Amino acid sequence: GESVGLHLPTLSVQEGDNSIINCAYSNSASDYFIWYKQESGKGPQFIIDIRSNMDKRQGQRVTVLLNKTVKHLSLQIAATQPGDSAVYFCAELGSSYKLIFGSGTRLLVRP
Amino acid sequence: ETGVTQTPRHLVMGMTNKKSLKCEQHLGHNAMYWYKQSAKKPLELMFVYNFKEQTENNSVPSRFSPECPNSSHLFLHLHTLQPEDSALYLCASSQEATGRYGYTFGSGTRLTVV
Repeated sequence: GESVGLHLPTLSVQEGDNSIINCAYSNSASDYFIWYKQESGKGPQFIIDIRSNMDKRQGQRVTVLLNKTVKHLSLQIAATQPGDSAVYFCAELGSSYKLIFGSGTRLLVRP
Repeated sequence: ETGVTQTPRHLVMGMTNKKSLKCEQHLGHNAMYWYKQSAKKPLELMFVYNFKEQTENNSVPSRFSPECPNSSHLFLHLHTLQPEDSALYLCASSQEATGRYGYTFGSGTRLTVV
C-alpha cells in the first residue's frame, strides 16, 4: 500500500546551523509532494511543495529535494532559528488523489 | 489566520453528550476535509466533501456525523464518544478534491472526552 515514512521522530540542531528533515515514500506514481510545519496549538501550515518533474525547489531559507530513484524527499532549512521549532510533516499525493501524511519529525532548535 | 476557521478551539465533553465542531473557509475552495490527529500518529483522514457532497468516509464510526450545508461550511456532529476519541480534529480545504494544489488547514479543535 501507499505509505509515507519519516526516518527520525526528533531532530535537535544548534541555532544558526542547517537542518535536514528526511522522508521516504512508497508510491513511485506519486507526482506531488508537500512539506507542512505544525507549531504547538496550530494546524499544519504549508511550507513548500514540489512536483515530480522537478528534483529541487527553493523557497525562503527552505529547499526541498526529491529523489525519485530512491523515493526520498528532504526538507533543508538554512540558518535554523528558534521560530523553526515545530513538527514537520511530508505529504504525498497518492493515486487516490488524497494527501497521505507521514507521522512527523519534531525539530528542536538549541540556543 | 489561514482562511480556515475552526470553532471551538477546545472542547471537553462527557461520553453521553452531543456536541458539534464547526469549520468555515473563506478561500473559495470546493473541497473540505475532516482529519483526526492523535499523539504520535499520522494525520487520519475521516471525511471528504467535494462541492458539498460527501465523497469519502474513511471507515469512521457512526458516532461521528459530518454535515456540509455548502462549500464554505463543514460540521462534525459528535455523540456518545469514547475516551479514545480524544484528539485534535483538523478541518482542511482545497481548491479541488484532487488535492493537486495542497490543503489549507484550520487550527483545529482539541477534543477531550471524559
